[in-house]
Amino acid sequence: GAGVSQSPSNKVTEKGKDVELRCDPISGHTALYWYRQSLGQGLEFLIYFQGNSAPDKSGLPSDRFSAERTGGSVSTLTIQRTQQEDSAVYLCASSMTGEGTDTQYFGPGTRLTVL
Amino acid sequence: GDSVTQMEGPVTLSEEAFLTINCTYTATGYPSLFWYVQYPGEGLQLLLKATKADDKGSNKGFEATYRKETTSFHLEKGSVQVSDSAVYFCARRGSNYKLTFGKGTLLTVNP
Repeated sequence: GAGVSQSPSNKVTEKGKDVELRCDPISGHTALYWYRQSLGQGLEFLIYFQGNSAPDKSGLPSDRFSAERTGGSVSTLTIQRTQQEDSAVYLCASSMTGEGTDTQYFGPGTRLTVL
Repeated sequence: GDSVTQMEGPVTLSEEAFLTINCTYTATGYPSLFWYVQYPGEGLQLLLKATKADDKGSNKGFEATYRKETTSFHLEKGSVQVSDSAVYFCARRGSNYKLTFGKGTLLTVNP
């Protein structure tokens, strides 16, 4: 596609519910990243995929967070038993190779609000 | 660990004023440096980048020079426009793949 797309653009959920956020990277990009943008913490790295593998999950804030990528393309970030502190904008980015001076291109984000 | 420090805003300027937003980074390894911009209601867009010392990134009248000796990557523009109003993020990327961002600087340009 022309750019990174994410869905939904907005998600409002109740505390304790599970949510799934989707990311479609730029076609042909092997690397995919999830970040979180919140008022208190700024922009934080969550997880990195190279192909379908996630070599680094160190940014995931708790075991309620998980992510997968299938077919080297679409990725889903799942948050189980959501908490109010999970409210943030979740950003997905992709890059050609994930190496060196590669540029990361960002999607528009999913704004998650946990009531 | 890796970190990026950028000047806190908000910054308010009149149209055609000169802009500088300071950014410094931790010098571990040989990072690539980036400025991203987030316009109101939109996602992060790459503004410019520099991948090695003394490189100058430029785009849309904005410039930043990779200064290894001062570990800085300050963003400048000679004459800002109202349409430049946005949040600007400085970021570094080291030998790994993740971007480390500064806190962001809100720029407002008044006509």
